[in-house]
Amino acid sequence: AQSVTQLDSQVPVFEEAPVELRCNYSSSVSVYLFWYVQYPNQGLQLLLKYLSGSTLVKGINGFEAEFNKSQTSFHLRKPSVHISDTAEYFCAVSAVSTGGFKTIFGAGTRLFVKA
Amino acid sequence: DGGITQSPKYLFRKEGQNVTLSCEQNLNHDAMYWYRQDPGQGLRLIYYSQIVNDFQKGDIAEGYSVSREKKESFPLTVTSAQKNPTAFYLCATTAGATSSWGEAFFGQGTRLTVV
Repeated sequence: AQSVTQLDSQVPVFEEAPVELRCNYSSSVSVYLFWYVQYPNQGLQLLLKYLSGSTLVKGINGFEAEFNKSQTSFHLRKPSVHISDTAEYFCAVSAVSTGGFKTIFGAGTRLFVKA
Repeated sequence: DGGITQSPKYLFRKEGQNVTLSCEQNLNHDAMYWYRQDPGQGLRLIYYSQIVNDFQKGDIAEGYSVSREKKESFPLTVTSAQKNPTAFYLCATTAGATSSWGEAFFGQGTRLTVV
């Protein structure tokens, strides 16, 4: 079985400061990892994904994430945030299961960027 | 443009009524999903369908029903048996149950409120 833990429910940060949103997972099989962003009253959009290869993946809007297999983590980072990055961010883990892929979403981290 | 359309965006229901949320996609994706989102709880899977005329219960199926008569459409009915239906409902697709590593595409959501 898989599980996903987003360690912070809310992260306040000042504009132009760096930010890290933490995600840990557990799984008994190989996984694929995703970060999605949700703006208020909208659906989720894919930010980035790790499928294989380089453990550092770059996504849209200047975000990047690093897959760390030994620590079972997939933390999301941005070196300098903007007001427009204020949103909720979801980490997701996908693994092959009976009949196809099973995806589990974390509870979300609300990023609040202050001027 | 390819995408997922959910309607209506806002829906009000009186207690004891059934309501149906629409989800239509033109991405030619095989698999479709319904999630419920409550504050601080992330996304919880209600129902999913990997192929036309077949669907499976997710983690919180009680009080909900679905149909999958066409590949493009996966409507969700919230029945009067659902005791606490006020939530944000998200429809999602993946290219296939066994492809795309579980990467999901989301609609814009329907906010259901019981009055």
